[in-house]
Amino acid sequence: SYVLTQPPSVPVAPGKTARITCGGNNIGSKSVHWYQQKPGQAPVVVIYYDTDRPSGIPERFSGSKSGNTATLTISRVEAGDEADYYCQVWDSSSDHWVFGGGTKLTVL
Amino acid sequence: EVQLVESGGGLIQPGGSLRLSCAASGFSVSSNYMSWVRQAPGKGLQWVSIIYRGGSTYYADSVKGQFTISRDNSKNTLYLQMNSLRAEDTAVYYCVRSEAPGDAFDVWGQGTMVIVS
Repeated sequence: SYVLTQPPSVPVAPGKTARITCGGNNIGSKSVHWYQQKPGQAPVVVIYYDTDRPSGIPERFSGSKSGNTATLTISRVEAGDEADYYCQVWDSSSDHWVFGGGTKLTVL
Repeated sequence: EVQLVESGGGLIQPGGSLRLSCAASGFSVSSNYMSWVRQAPGKGLQWVSIIYRGGSTYYADSVKGQFTISRDNSKNTLYLQMNSLRAEDTAVYYCVRSEAPGDAFDVWGQGTMVIVS
């Protein structure tokens, strides 16, 4: 089965840029979605189809892909960005959704 | 307003069965691709099952043969029948919507907690 690998934690100082990676075999051929989950809340999509941002999500959130890695970049990090972030892909060969293990973004 | 509201969670003994419900409003479950996603305490998100617009169903390997996803179009409600429950099925269960295969989950319910103990 397809596997997505994320770092467990990413620390970042306020005002700096956070980059959360998501690795997967041949991920370049798949579309990646990113979710933000704050404690006690349901996840919210922050980036869909690799680079698109839903309405209401700040422009500080962006997505990219290169090689076998997708990256969620959060610019000018704020305290309110502290949350768990998950990447997700659709494995069309098995009709299964796959989530990465999640990354806890800690704002120092 | 587009909304999903889960119910049916609770405390159940190992080996027991439980049926979760997810009532949709503001859209039709039969016109979308509806999934269940679970999250064990302190753990990450795990996709459980999907039902296609046309009615086809798929399951994560960990629940195949144990869980059954279904919907009642007249009630605009999604279900998850869970049998032979084990401690490792303890989680918050979310129902979610995607508008097409591969689309992001754009609507999430608030989740319902299932404790197998």
